[in-house]
Amino acid sequence: DTAVSQTPKYLVTQMGNDKSIKCEQNLGHDTMYWYKQDSKKFLKIMFSYNNKELIINETVPNRFSPKSPDKAHLNLHINSLELGDSAVYFCASSLGPAARQPQHFGDGTRLSIL
Amino acid sequence: SQQGEEDPQALSIQEGENATMNCSYKTSINNLQWYRQNSGRGLVHLILIRSNEREKHSGRLRVTLDTSKKSSSLLITASRAADTASYFCATLVAGANSKLTFGKGITLSVRP
Repeated sequence: DTAVSQTPKYLVTQMGNDKSIKCEQNLGHDTMYWYKQDSKKFLKIMFSYNNKELIINETVPNRFSPKSPDKAHLNLHINSLELGDSAVYFCASSLGPAARQPQHFGDGTRLSIL
Repeated sequence: SQQGEEDPQALSIQEGENATMNCSYKTSINNLQWYRQNSGRGLVHLILIRSNEREKHSGRLRVTLDTSKKSSSLLITASRAADTASYFCATLVAGANSKLTFGKGITLSVRP
């Protein structure tokens, strides 16, 4: 059983479109994250939720909107996609916030903007 | 600016040799974590070391932390081809709002 699963694995779309990425974790963790990894493998946190409450909101364009319907799910909706949004987006989860525990990552969603 | 910086950026060794990777950071930390990323996959947690710890072991992995030098090292002993991956250090800054800051990673190639 995959602990943190993301869908889709690949997303190829045109500039200006709106798309969503879904994430689910079956580890019973309270905290979930979205990270962006660029082409140079630099990984940066975007958002974090703890028990459905937003606790970290980095400097991310407001075209990106996370939603956590319950503590096992964290989705990411992106409006008006731009070329610079091309990257790999990773979902992760941990037992609790404060980054004092290991984080478990999904295998990423590779987003390519044409 | 980035908190963690790994060194070297790339490392190529023969199977059976040891691999040492270093990470330096700028400000006081609560903990430092090492992760591995295989090509096309997500990051996998390896070891977490707290600021009051100096050394931790896990199987063939040994991590040291020197808070006076603001640096950490990851040693993989008796490397295997399957250890080929990118390795990242990540730091939790003391007093920060609970986020990990990742370095750019080290690409390790282990030749069979």
